[in-house]
This record gives sequence, structure tokens and C-alpha cells, in this order.
Amino acid sequence: NAGVTQTPKFRVLKTGQSMTLLCAQDMNHEYMYWYRQDPGMGLRLIHYSVGEGTTAKGEVPDGYNVSRLKKQNFLLGLESAAPSQTSVYFCASSYSVGRNEQFFGPGTRLTVL
Amino acid sequence: GQSLEQPSEVTAVEGAIVQINCTYQTSGFYGLSWYQQHDGGAPTFLSYNALDGLEETGRFSSFLSRSDSYGYLLLQELQMKDSASYFCAVRGRGYAGNNRKLIWGLGTSLAVNP
Repeated sequence: NAGVTQTPKFRVLKTGQSMTLLCAQDMNHEYMYWYRQDPGMGLRLIHYSVGEGTTAKGEVPDGYNVSRLKKQNFLLGLESAAPSQTSVYFCASSYSVGRNEQFFGPGTRLTVL
Repeated sequence: GQSLEQPSEVTAVEGAIVQINCTYQTSGFYGLSWYQQHDGGAPTFLSYNALDGLEETGRFSSFLSRSDSYGYLLLQELQMKDSASYFCAVRGRGYAGNNRKLIWGLGTSLAVNP
């Protein structure tokens, strides 16, 4: 099993450009999450999904959109990138909320110039 | 509001024991977890405590006291490879009333020296 994979691993954008980050999991997990991690800020939840076709906002959703058309995929979109969105983005998934156990992808390092 | 507090940095030597504390303030409580993250890597799950007491997994142990809203991660026989950031996280009753999200501490950077 590949676990949680993220595409791409690195990306550089110019201000105003758009892009989509792809997260895929092969563990049949119901729950999926998108986080961003900045130095000294810990992990901040952007959006999450509790099942196919459902999404919800996290604590820092502005400037991002998500879709969960298939259970195994969770897409994060940046419509008009801004330098403040320079960060490391992690996708995570979990089978249930019990045990607070989330499985993380390797991350996407995004730089917005 | 909801928050977790943990020390920002801890330093120890190989072979020693180190304790990383975490205090939390949440509306509702559904368990305390610990994650490890090496530089440039992804967080990985270490432990989970839903009830008071100590849970042991090899060299790592985690403790919870719900009455004190407090927990800690204990690392024994420290090795150089334990140098990493350690995050505590709780599942509390978040805004909109759901409990499906984790609330994260800012992380403790552990440096293990020879």
C-alpha cells in the first residue's frame, strides 16, 4: 500500500496563478484533511472532508477550495495564489476519529513569488 | 477558546530521559495524541490516551490526567534519531459543534546531543 500520496512535491508559483494539489489515499479512509504548516505555527487545518462528496471549512479556509469527488482523492485548489500562501501543505486521512490517529502524506512545498 | 500549550524547545543527551508536557483547554475532550515530525518529514502518530494513566510503547510512554487537563510524552534511553518535533493534539468539540477535527499544539523541538 502506498498510504497517502501528494502531488506535486514542490511547486513555485507567481502571484495570481492558480494550481491544484492532489491527495490520494489507498486505505479506504472516510476522513481526509488539508493542513498548512508554517514555521512556529504548528499545523493549521484548511479544509476537511468526512466522506465522499462532503467538505467543510477548517480554521484557515480563505483563499482555498477543495473537492472530494471520489473517496480516495481530496483536491486542494488555490484560485489566485498570494505570497502569504507560501507554506508546506500536508494531506492526512483517517479511518475514523477514534484514537485521533491521522496518516499524513509527505507534503507539498509551495512557494509563491 | 481552545488551545494547547507545550514547551517550544527541549534539549537532552543521548541515553537520558526527557518529558514533554502538554496542557490543554478545550470544550469537550475526546483524547490526547502525540505525533513526531522529523525535519523535512511528515508527522507520524505516536500515541493516544483517552483515559487517565500511562500508556507505554517501547521507549515512549504517554500520560494523561483529565482532571488537570494535562498530559506528557516520556522518551527514555534517548537516541540521536529522536531529535525531532513533537506535537500534542486533542479532539475537542470544535466550532459548529462537531468533534471531527484535531486541535494541535505548536510543537516541541527536541534536540538530542551526544
